[in-house]
Amino acid sequence: GAGVSQTPSNKVTEKGKYVELRCDPISGHTALYWYRQSLGQGPEFLIYFQGTGAADDSGLPNDRFFAVRPEGSVSTLKIQRTERGDSAVYLCASSKGTSGSGEDEQFFGPGTRLTVL
Amino acid sequence: KQEVTQIPAALSVPEGENLVLNCSFTDSAIYNLQWFRQDPGKGLTSLLLIQSSQREQTSGRLNASLDKSSGRSTLYIAASQPGDSATYLCAVDSGGGADGLTFGKGTHLIIQP
Repeated sequence: GAGVSQTPSNKVTEKGKYVELRCDPISGHTALYWYRQSLGQGPEFLIYFQGTGAADDSGLPNDRFFAVRPEGSVSTLKIQRTERGDSAVYLCASSKGTSGSGEDEQFFGPGTRLTVL
Repeated sequence: KQEVTQIPAALSVPEGENLVLNCSFTDSAIYNLQWFRQDPGKGLTSLLLIQSSQREQTSGRLNASLDKSSGRSTLYIAASQPGDSATYLCAVDSGGGADGLTFGKGTHLIIQP
């Protein structure tokens, strides 16, 4: 089947605008993760969903960031009042099960490159 | 807080050489460790996953080992090829989903033809 898909692949916006980034996980994967990767760095965790609920949002940098997964499949990362420092690649990953389940390998999408001017 | 370090940060070797990439982590209470490959401008491709109860995993020319008690993992690449050129990332899962994966900064590998 298809892998994790993310849209758009690139997003350019102006400072202060609102953006939405979409992630479509692998079918049947219950766990979904969002990460952010800055140039030259490894990805940093933002938020984790198990089913429809955000099981852990401790990585969200501030209250301008919010994510939803209303039907337990597709997820949207929402950023309000964007700032230049939000420019990065936003990666989504999914796994069939949670850590320690034996089905916890995470599969990543191609990412959305966000540029805030 | 878990921290992951990868050494070296960059490596350039001639084609055909065997090489080792190193990863260390500060908290040995992990569920698993994954090695990823990232090509420029692309997402992450999972190479190998080692569960905490395992010592190594192999896939083709790749072999990854895990020494959880000492907080170390190595990725061994045999008979390197120019197509192996990429950034290799090590990541550990410490929290049952919580905190997601903690990544190192990666090793940028260049295989010279």
